[in-house]
Amino acid sequence: GQNIDQPTEMTATEGAIVQINCTYQTSGFNGLFWYQQHAGEAPTFLSYNVLDGLEEKGRFSSFLSRSKGYSYLLLKELQMKDSASYLCAVALLDSNYQLIWGAGTKLIIKP
Amino acid sequence: KAGVTQTPRYLIKTRGQQVTLSCSPISGHRSVSWYQQTPGQGLQFLFEYFSETQRNKGNFPGRFSGRQFSNSRSEMNVSTLELGDSALYLCASSFDRGPYEQYFGPGTRLTVT
Repeated sequence: GQNIDQPTEMTATEGAIVQINCTYQTSGFNGLFWYQQHAGEAPTFLSYNVLDGLEEKGRFSSFLSRSKGYSYLLLKELQMKDSASYLCAVALLDSNYQLIWGAGTKLIIKP
Repeated sequence: KAGVTQTPRYLIKTRGQQVTLSCSPISGHRSVSWYQQTPGQGLQFLFEYFSETQRNKGNFPGRFSGRQFSNSRSEMNVSTLELGDSALYLCASSFDRGPYEQYFGPGTRLTVT
């Protein structure tokens, strides 16, 4: 079967750094997405990794290790507006281009 | 460029009724996917439409159906509503099929009483 695991909830302090992990076990792999979803709003795209390594985009970075079935999203210089849920999704390598979604990690930022 | 729009935004229905939700994708996007989101469950994939054809379907009962029109607009229908169908229904569009970024609409909040 297909499985994606993320922590349910994390708490961090404004100005600090937080790492949100995502582990996956899927039949086939065609990249991993991270989305951000503020409460009551639609998810918005953050990053897409298909090769191993770290990709940096401003305060946000995403890392992928295909051999370990592991990814993380790194948020630096946390701001209150970063309080949101962070969704990890794996694209399967099949003819249906299916996405498998994790349940999401709710990140709470405290002053 | 206008984003993905969904109507209605909120809906209250009674058990046993049926409902139709609408989604207009970003202009030029040909793939439309539908998701159900409930607290603690994450995004559950319903189906994907491309060129007016259902290309992929999630593990939902036949009460859930959809269609796509020639202008890429899509509708989903839920018949014989159950209390457990209460959820946020999200529509997402992407340029093409494949591992492309999906753009989500604001969703339709369905409450079944």
